[in-house]
Amino acid sequence: DAKTTQPTSMDCAEGRAANLPCNHSTISGNEYVYWYRQIHSQGPQYIIHGLKNNETNEMASLIITEDRKSSTLILPHATLRDTAVYYCIVRVIRGSARQLTFGSGTQLTVLP
Amino acid sequence: DGGITQSPKYLFRKEGQNVTLSCEQNLNHDAMYWYRQDPGQGLRLIYYSQIVNDFQKGDIAEGYSVSREKKESFPLTVTSAQKNPTAFYLCASSTRQGADTGELFFGEGSRLTVL
Repeated sequence: DAKTTQPTSMDCAEGRAANLPCNHSTISGNEYVYWYRQIHSQGPQYIIHGLKNNETNEMASLIITEDRKSSTLILPHATLRDTAVYYCIVRVIRGSARQLTFGSGTQLTVLP
Repeated sequence: DGGITQSPKYLFRKEGQNVTLSCEQNLNHDAMYWYRQDPGQGLRLIYYSQIVNDFQKGDIAEGYSVSREKKESFPLTVTSAQKNPTAFYLCASSTRQGADTGELFFGEGSRLTVL
């Protein structure tokens, strides 16, 4: 699986959009971009995933650049409950039932 | 409500003792997983199971064992052979499609401390 690079930490004001970047310059054509988040001392939560088109669901939007070498997770109206570590992962979608290896992620702190 | 239940939430163990962490899911998911998380780090896969009575090693299986006798249960045993067992342990499950798409559902975790 391709390696990802994320900033260690970010702050965001409550009610504003949080934009979390992720670089994955070695991504292969059959690899998807996934985002998870983990609130302190809890299990991770799946957020969204995509291949090359922008994706949106009830939690967030995922913007993937045309060359697929980077992406941005957007939380449109951040709340205090969005404070968490956000993980960007790149992996193939087919294959075995394994392989969601998380890196260090970005600690997002939403400020009141 | 459907979900994944891990127990105990906190566990203390003396060196040389085996300990078993419980993971139960009522989501009717086929696949189940165990991850380990160390402070300030991401998750690493220990074992996973795609179907009852079958499981595979992950990236850090040494010193751990699992069983999958029932679809809803996937207990993890941390043996005395695990050299650095103090960590936060996470269990997850997914549908067969979710195993491919990466949509995993996680439990609340079990924090093991070896004294």
